[in-house]
Amino acid sequence: EDQVTQSPEALRLQEGESSSLNCSYTVSGLRGLFWYRQDPGKGPEFLFTLYSAGEEKEKERLKATLTKKESFLHITAPKPEDSATYLCAVRLYSGGGADGLTFGKGTHLIIQP
Amino acid sequence: GAVVSQHPSRVICKSGTSVKIECRSLDFQATTMFWYRQFPKQSLMLMATSNEGSKATYEQGVEKDKFLINHASLTLSTLTVTSAHPEDSSFYICSARSSGGNTGELFFGEGSRLTVL
Repeated sequence: EDQVTQSPEALRLQEGESSSLNCSYTVSGLRGLFWYRQDPGKGPEFLFTLYSAGEEKEKERLKATLTKKESFLHITAPKPEDSATYLCAVRLYSGGGADGLTFGKGTHLIIQP
Repeated sequence: GAVVSQHPSRVICKSGTSVKIECRSLDFQATTMFWYRQFPKQSLMLMATSNEGSKATYEQGVEKDKFLINHASLTLSTLTVTSAHPEDSSFYICSARSSGGNTGELFFGEGSRLTVL
């Protein structure tokens, strides 16, 4: 049973075309939601941690928001260098791996010049 | 943010040989590190938890005699793939938590691409 679902699986945008990536989780008891960026052949790079509904965090063209059941990663006026796979992970009060996290499968984002 | 380094980034070996991958936390001490596998277009799969000074804890379905983990210091964990076979070819990634307990962010290494011929 998938506890963390990311959508869409893949997204192709034109440079400057803003959009949002979704991460939804199906269990209650969230202790933290994490966003990572992963480039091909590289390990995930930490972006944000969100802990409570209503919280928002920004970094350059990225903004992450959190509700009780999902998180959005908003990308404003993206550039080709924003192309990557974006991973979402949640830390729950119970369950998850020994690292305490449950990962989604990621959204593969391509920004075309 | 915290820096985690992996070495080698790429390794090619013959079937039947053993390969060691190192994971180092460069600017913090990590009593716990984690090892993952990642197949193409799939997310990270946790293989084992590496604990400094004690035995590693393996996830269900991961062979502990196949994937040897040693965490001899607070900044170094190693994963040895023993008697590697082509099906062991994958992207191996380590991570470490930047603070104690289960509350700090996880920082990941750059990954090691293993190809077994």
